[in-house]
Amino acid sequence: DQQVKQNSPSLSVQEGRISILNCDYTNSMFDYFLWYKKYPAEGPTFLISISSIKDKNEDGRFTVFLNKSAKHLSLHIVPSQPGDSAVYFCAASALGNTPLVFGKGTRLSVIA
Amino acid sequence: NAGVTQTPKFQVLKTGQSMTLQCAQDMNHNSMYWYRQDPGMGLRLIYYSASEGTTDKGEVPNGYNVSRLNKREFSLRLESAAPSQTSVYFCASSEWGHYGYTFGSGTRLTVV
Repeated sequence: DQQVKQNSPSLSVQEGRISILNCDYTNSMFDYFLWYKKYPAEGPTFLISISSIKDKNEDGRFTVFLNKSAKHLSLHIVPSQPGDSAVYFCAASALGNTPLVFGKGTRLSVIA
Repeated sequence: NAGVTQTPKFQVLKTGQSMTLQCAQDMNHNSMYWYRQDPGMGLRLIYYSASEGTTDKGEVPNGYNVSRLNKREFSLRLESAAPSQTSVYFCASSEWGHYGYTFGSGTRLTVV
């Protein structure tokens, strides 16, 4: 049973526009959420995170929104740049500092 | 550069052969992890070590063994490789309770 779901395998956005990547989760024990970015032939790198006590966290062009009642989070990238083209993984951890559970990833393509 | 080093980067095995994937980190992190990435499956946890001297199974441990050799090193062993173990393997490390995992660049393993 998949606990972290990224239902869009791919997303294509024009340069300068907003990219919105979505993630849903089923485990109500999750209390910390993260987004990782992965380029081909490299390991994932941490991008941004949010605790369950918040509903928004912003870092430059990247903002993560958390809707606990809907068990949904989203990553907004504004403005999108060609260098943002990568696979984005949503991840979550449950109470007690359990290891991260990852979604399947969404491949973002930013078109110039 | 500080980080997580994985060796080898590429490996081809015949069914039934054994091998050990090596991972070392120089950030003095307590916790280390092994994930595998398969197309359409995201990152799945194989084993993890919360601290030196401890190891625990993740989501997909069958067919693998691990050794936390010391604080720096965490190896993954395939005793009898199977084609289903064809994957990209990522090692990661973190401070326990911190989620900004640092990943290695991966080992691409093909079992024929």
